[in-house]
Amino acid sequence: AQSVTQLDSQVPVFEEAPVELRCNYSSSVSVYLFWYVQYPNQGLQLLLKYLSGSTLVKGINGFEAEFNKSQTSFHLRKPSVHISDTAEYFCAVVNNFNKFYFGSGTKLNVKP
Amino acid sequence: NAGVTQTPKFRVLKTGQSMTLLCAQDMNHEYMYWYRQDPGMGLRLIHYSVGEGTTAKGEVPDGYNVSRLKKQNFLLGLESAAPSQTSVYFCASSYSLVGANVLTFGAGSRLTVL
Repeated sequence: AQSVTQLDSQVPVFEEAPVELRCNYSSSVSVYLFWYVQYPNQGLQLLLKYLSGSTLVKGINGFEAEFNKSQTSFHLRKPSVHISDTAEYFCAVVNNFNKFYFGSGTKLNVKP
Repeated sequence: NAGVTQTPKFRVLKTGQSMTLLCAQDMNHEYMYWYRQDPGMGLRLIHYSVGEGTTAKGEVPDGYNVSRLKKQNFLLGLESAAPSQTSVYFCASSYSLVGANVLTFGAGSRLTVL
């Protein structure tokens, strides 16, 4: 069975500072990895995904994530955050049966 | 392009009442899902459907029923609402069986059970 752990429930950061949101997963089979973002009072939107190939994945709004198979991690990074990045971020894995497993979410709070 | 539409957006119920949440998608997606979102617990899969006329249980199916009579609609029913079902419910859909697919989410339905 798959599971996803997001180690930080909340991450406060000042505007223009770098940020890393951590995600670890456990799986006995190959998986595909995703980051979704949820802005206040909205549904989830896809930020980026890792399917295969290059372990560094670039997404929308300047975010990127690196797949590390040996550490079973898929951490999300942004070199300089904006106020508009304030949102909740969810890491997810999906297996070959198209079942998605989500982490508990990390609330990113960008302060001016 | 509407994507995934959920109705209603908000609802307050008394314990024991019943209700149905409607999810409609206009993308011709085969797969549809119902999740609930609770603080600190992320999204948990309630039920899902791999095509018209089919449904399957997810992680937390108890107390819920679903139906997929038409490909574009996926209904979530609560026969006898309980306070533990107070949550935000999200519908999602995806195009194919391939494991690398992407979920498209609705805006959510906030349910409060008193």
